[in-house]
Amino acid sequence: GQSLEQPSEVTAVEGAIVQINCTYQTSGFYGLSWYQQHDGGAPTFLSYNALDGLEETGRFSSFLSRSDSYGYLLLQELQMKDSASYFCAPPNRDDKIIFGKGTRLHILP
Amino acid sequence: DAGVIQSPRHEVTEMGQEVTLRCKPISGHDYLFWYRQTMMRGLELLIYFNNNVPIDDSGMPEDRFSAKMPNASFSTLKIQPSEPRDSAVYFCASTLGPRQNTGELFFGEGSRLTVL
Repeated sequence: GQSLEQPSEVTAVEGAIVQINCTYQTSGFYGLSWYQQHDGGAPTFLSYNALDGLEETGRFSSFLSRSDSYGYLLLQELQMKDSASYFCAPPNRDDKIIFGKGTRLHILP
Repeated sequence: DAGVIQSPRHEVTEMGQEVTLRCKPISGHDYLFWYRQTMMRGLELLIYFNNNVPIDDSGMPEDRFSAKMPNASFSTLKIQPSEPRDSAVYFCASTLGPRQNTGELFFGEGSRLTVL
């Protein structure tokens, strides 16, 4: 089967750095994607890690460790507009993509 | 391309009525996914198609739910009869392939269903 674990909520201060963790269990792991969803909106793609290590895209970075079935999303120089829910999503060998409840990020001024 | 198009955006109906949600995926995308989102259960995968063929419908809650993809440019999710617990936002998403390149899923705006 497949399962995902993320913290339900994280709070950080504007301008700071925050890390959102994800542990997963899936058959036939291929990589780990991250999505952002603002209230009332649809999820949008942020990043994808196929290999171990850190992928950087502007203020956002994503990390993957296959051996630990673990990844994280790192958000730097937090802005109020980063207040949203963040989901990790690993496609498996059957092309099945599951999400979960995600992590709600609250940013304080 | 206009992106993934869903209709209706909002639907309010009464318990027992039939509900049909529609989705037009991005042209050329071979995969189509239907998700349901609620506060309690998060973003749940209901069913997904590859080249119009249902691959996995294990997430469909019960027989009241059915989904079809008669061609590459159209899919429906039907609930009959609807119940208040079906109230949720239903998202359709498409992709070239979950294991192709980044496997990015493109989501529609969602259909917010309220069953009274």
